[in-house]
Amino acid sequence: NAGVMQNPRHLVRRRGQEARLRCSPMKGHSHVYWYRQLPEEGLKFMVYLQKENIIDESGMPKERFSAEFPKEGPSILRIQQVVRGDSAAYFCASSWDRSSGNTIYFGEGSWLTVV
Amino acid sequence: AQSVTQPDIHITVSEGASLELRCNYSYGATPYLFWYVQSPGQGLQLLLKYFSGDTLVQGIKGFEAEFKRSQSSFNLRKPSVHWSDAAEYFCAVGAGADGLTFGKGTHLIIQP
Repeated sequence: NAGVMQNPRHLVRRRGQEARLRCSPMKGHSHVYWYRQLPEEGLKFMVYLQKENIIDESGMPKERFSAEFPKEGPSILRIQQVVRGDSAAYFCASSWDRSSGNTIYFGEGSWLTVV
Repeated sequence: AQSVTQPDIHITVSEGASLELRCNYSYGATPYLFWYVQSPGQGLQLLLKYFSGDTLVQGIKGFEAEFKRSQSSFNLRKPSVHWSDAAEYFCAVGAGADGLTFGKGTHLIIQP
């Protein structure tokens, strides 16, 4: 009964490198969400995806950030040319469907440190 | 737009004492409300949720929360805290297509 799986749990990148964060949703879930948590802040919504579709990316920075959820395989959040301000915890969550009453389950997070 | 306010950034409680964490929300429709707990370096664990029906919701680890529509509140309570309850607590509103909107969290400190 695996939950939402994220990897890597911790990632260190130098400024200018690329970061790739992976998320496998709970079994049976086809809706994936990415959130970012900055130090001393709550979670901020970034993007909502279904298989092969980006539904809502209103929380994604316009540049350097992209997300995908292919037909096969995990969802990936990609950050190009990382900067120190990208250092944060990135949480993936999944749900069974998109109805407002549906519970969203979170992964353990991926902690990105940019040095 | 939906929003959540957790007025207390830090709360310190003695072990064995009662606890209440405040949460106020703004949402354009019938709210779906959640409380999550996050231990250091960990993900978020769902404590409880309110969708409809009984306004007093029971959750895991002895927590409960009461939905008060007139006050737009969904406060989290526990009658007697344990040292292991020390963590960050997040209130959230909405779900699914609307996404979850989180408060900034309340850091709970337990004094021996």
